[in-house]
Amino acid sequence: AQKVTQVQTEISVVEKEDVTLDCVYETRDTTYYLFWYKQPPSGELVFLIRRNSFDEQNEISGRYSWNFQKSTSSFNFTITASQVVDSAVYFCALNVWNMRFGAGTRLTVKP
Amino acid sequence: GAVVSQHPSWVICKSGTSVKIECRSLDFQATTMFWYRQFPKQSLMLMATSNEGSKATYEQGVEKDKFLINHASLTLSTLTVTSAHPEDSSFYICSARIPTGTSNSYEQYFGPGTRLTVT
Repeated sequence: AQKVTQVQTEISVVEKEDVTLDCVYETRDTTYYLFWYKQPPSGELVFLIRRNSFDEQNEISGRYSWNFQKSTSSFNFTITASQVVDSAVYFCALNVWNMRFGAGTRLTVKP
Repeated sequence: GAVVSQHPSWVICKSGTSVKIECRSLDFQATTMFWYRQFPKQSLMLMATSNEGSKATYEQGVEKDKFLINHASLTLSTLTVTSAHPEDSSFYICSARIPTGTSNSYEQYFGPGTRLTVT
């Protein structure tokens, strides 16, 4: 069975703070993909990153970084120097045959 | 890049009527499409998986006679909510999967969603 757990339901930070969104996954498959999506109020999912199970390299993209650790089945997402425009719901997802989403973390960045 | 479109983007219908939502893959052929439902402030829940030319596979708890899925071509899948009721009001999102060419590797693209309100 596939399962994704996003530890934080809601996070509120002040602009310029760093924030980390945690994601823990479960699967018995050895080949899988992990994703992070951003969902702004419009509802349309914005793709942020995809990682396959064989690539544990951390990744940095501008203010965004991801830490993938198979040993703890975690795929955490950090936003450095957060901005008000980062306010959204963020979903972690696991894809083996189909995409299963975590419950989401609502991030509010206050000016 | 690959694009998935949905039509309509929003729809309001009266209780008891049926409404059809279309999902199109614009730049590629998708043998597999997925339908998700998202209630307010909740996550996306997979409703069904549809493969072109065959019957859809529904997730547990999803009524197949209520949510009719048709995937008659490689670029179009439709979801029909039959005899809609207010509790069916939700955000419906489709997704299309295409193989990337390497073994067991594929990309999955999401549509912009359709907001259904049943009055």
